[in-house]
Amino acid sequence: NAGVMQNPRHLVRRRGQEARLRCSPMKGHSHVYWYRQLPEEGLKFMVYLQKENIIDESGMPKERFSAEFPKEGPSILRIQQVVRGDSAAYFCASSPTSGPTDTQYFGPGTRLTVL
Amino acid sequence: QQQVKQSPQSLIVQKGGISIINCAYENTAFDYFPWYQQFPGKGPALLIAIRPDVSEKKEGRFTISFNKSAKQFSLHIMDSQPGDSATYFCAASGGSNDYKLSFGAGTTVTVRA
Repeated sequence: NAGVMQNPRHLVRRRGQEARLRCSPMKGHSHVYWYRQLPEEGLKFMVYLQKENIIDESGMPKERFSAEFPKEGPSILRIQQVVRGDSAAYFCASSPTSGPTDTQYFGPGTRLTVL
Repeated sequence: QQQVKQSPQSLIVQKGGISIINCAYENTAFDYFPWYQQFPGKGPALLIAIRPDVSEKKEGRFTISFNKSAKQFSLHIMDSQPGDSATYFCAASGGSNDYKLSFGAGTTVTVRA
């Protein structure tokens, strides 16, 4: 059973470009979460999605960031017009349900560097 | 504001020694407290978790101690091994948004052989 897959693993963008990060949850998992990890900090919740629905985007910046989890295909985190402060590791996690005892399984992350 | 405070930021322990990491929280709605282990270049992996109805949980060499009244919990790594060298994160969730994990800042543990 493959774990959570994320690609690309490393992404370099220049200021003003767009970054698209992909996440394929574990088989049988329909709940996806995105977290951001800045250097020397813990992970910060960004958004929680189920298939075709955004459940909670309270941790996502209001501008330039968007997320989707279509009926088919991976979840996408999109960052438009990237700035240097967007440089971070972005982790996706998935769970079979969203209950309080459900473990969130994390992917290996995408490390975004903005030049 | 950071909802879970973790200390120390880093620690070095000799092989066979005990590593202790402490976390404190403010949100009394939190009722699930997992610890994650992260190796360089990898995602966090669940190590062990506890709920407030017990004061201690042990799995192998890893033990969580929980003090509900003080709103603190800690991870003890017994008989530390070089393979335990990693960054450890405490986290907490609960209440109406119990899927939302709030992480501590992390502790980098180095086990010297």
